[in-house]
Amino acid sequence: DAGVIQSPRHEVTEMGQEVTLRCKPISGHNSLFWYRQTMMRGLELLIYFNNNVPIDDSGMPEDRFSAKMPNASFSTLKIQPSEPRDSAVYFCASSPNHRSIDYEQYFGPGTRLTVT
Amino acid sequence: AQSVAQPEDQVNVAEGNPLTVKCTYSVSGNPYLFWYVQYPNRGLQFLLKYITGDNLVKGSYGFEAEFNKSQTSFHLKKPSALVSDSALYFCAVRDMRVGNEKLTFGTGTRLTIIP
Repeated sequence: DAGVIQSPRHEVTEMGQEVTLRCKPISGHNSLFWYRQTMMRGLELLIYFNNNVPIDDSGMPEDRFSAKMPNASFSTLKIQPSEPRDSAVYFCASSPNHRSIDYEQYFGPGTRLTVT
Repeated sequence: AQSVAQPEDQVNVAEGNPLTVKCTYSVSGNPYLFWYVQYPNRGLQFLLKYITGDNLVKGSYGFEAEFNKSQTSFHLKKPSALVSDSALYFCAVRDMRVGNEKLTFGTGTRLTIIP
């Protein structure tokens, strides 16, 4: 099993540019999570999907951020326009979705975003 | 609402000594509790979890954690620390309500094992 796959691993862009982060969850997992990690704010949940449907997007900072999950094996997190304060490590995680038994989340390696 | 507190930003332990990383939680109902570890430039890796049953949970790499309901704590422990245990450790909680998959993480504790 390849685990959760994220691309790119590193992204450097200029302020105002559009940034798209990609995630492929573990095959068979029904839930997908996007997190952001910074020194100042720690690890924050941005949004999560269940069966490709967004369930909770209350952590999305503002309208510049959007996330999609067009199918069970792919999700994107888009920032348009990007700003320097968006610089962070963005993690994707997935987990099975079983109502009666809880499962842990499996994290990808992260995308380190730098906005100059 | 659910929340987690890790009161120590940094813990230093001599190699071979026992280690404890503290975590307290708050949830409306019954908790699911987790510990994750993060090595430099890597994603979080699952260590162990408490769902129900025995209060002492054993996990990967010789780590264990004790669930204490009265103190709302879930401290991570290891009897004998290794230099390779040096990393950032996160405690997380989830309310046991069906359909709630949202994990809330603590701010993390940096564990340094001194040779």
